Amino acid sequence: EVQVVESGGGLVQPGGSLRLSCVASGFRFSSAWMHWVRQAPGKGLVWVSRLNGDGSERHYEDSVKGRFTISRDNSKNTVYLQMNSLTAEDTALYYCVTETNWALGYWGQGVLVTVSS
Amino acid sequence: DIQMTQSPSSLSASVGDRVTITCRASQDIHNYLAWYQQKPGKVPKLLISLSSTLQSGVSSRFSGSGSGTDFTLTISSLQPDDVATYYCQKYFHPPFTFGPGTKVDIK
Repeated sequence: EVQVVESGGGLVQPGGSLRLSCVASGFRFSSAWMHWVRQAPGKGLVWVSRLNGDGSERHYEDSVKGRFTISRDNSKNTVYLQMNSLTAEDTALYYCVTETNWALGYWGQGVLVTVSS
Repeated sequence: DIQMTQSPSSLSASVGDRVTITCRASQDIHNYLAWYQQKPGKVPKLLISLSSTLQSGVSSRFSGSGSGTDFTLTISSLQPDDVATYYCQKYFHPPFTFGPGTKVDIK
């Protein structure tokens, strides 16, 4: 059974940083593209970032380029999202998701990030 | 970047009705289009990938079609359990943009 569990969310001040973690199991993690998707309260889904299995290829949505960094540790079945220079617009529920069959197949429960003073 | 639009933004239909949601890409995305269902307060769920491939365990009431720029998600007979917001997503080169969503409820 595939499991995806995020952690690391919380309240952070504008301009601050936060690192999200996502532990996944039940599939060949080291071969899987991993994604982060976010959803602001009451709003739609926004794709954030994607990282390939060996960590050599990464992509970002324009609004987070230069501020967010996706990485992974395959020895720990974990993918990370380092978020810097946070603003109120980054307040959202952040989902970690596996890529399967040319889509986002398995979603975690999400972790809430709140940026506020 | 390729933009994704959906119509309608919301709809209300009766149980048993056939419901169709449209998703349009601003450029050709071939068949790299996925559909997701998000029930209120729940995690999104993948329904369909590659425009028309129904995921295992998903009700056969759901079907997808289209290629290029125009796609549809059809619910053949709307059920109370289908109340949700439905999102399309392009999967043709990053960014993997979602559509704005279509909220479906029961009349």
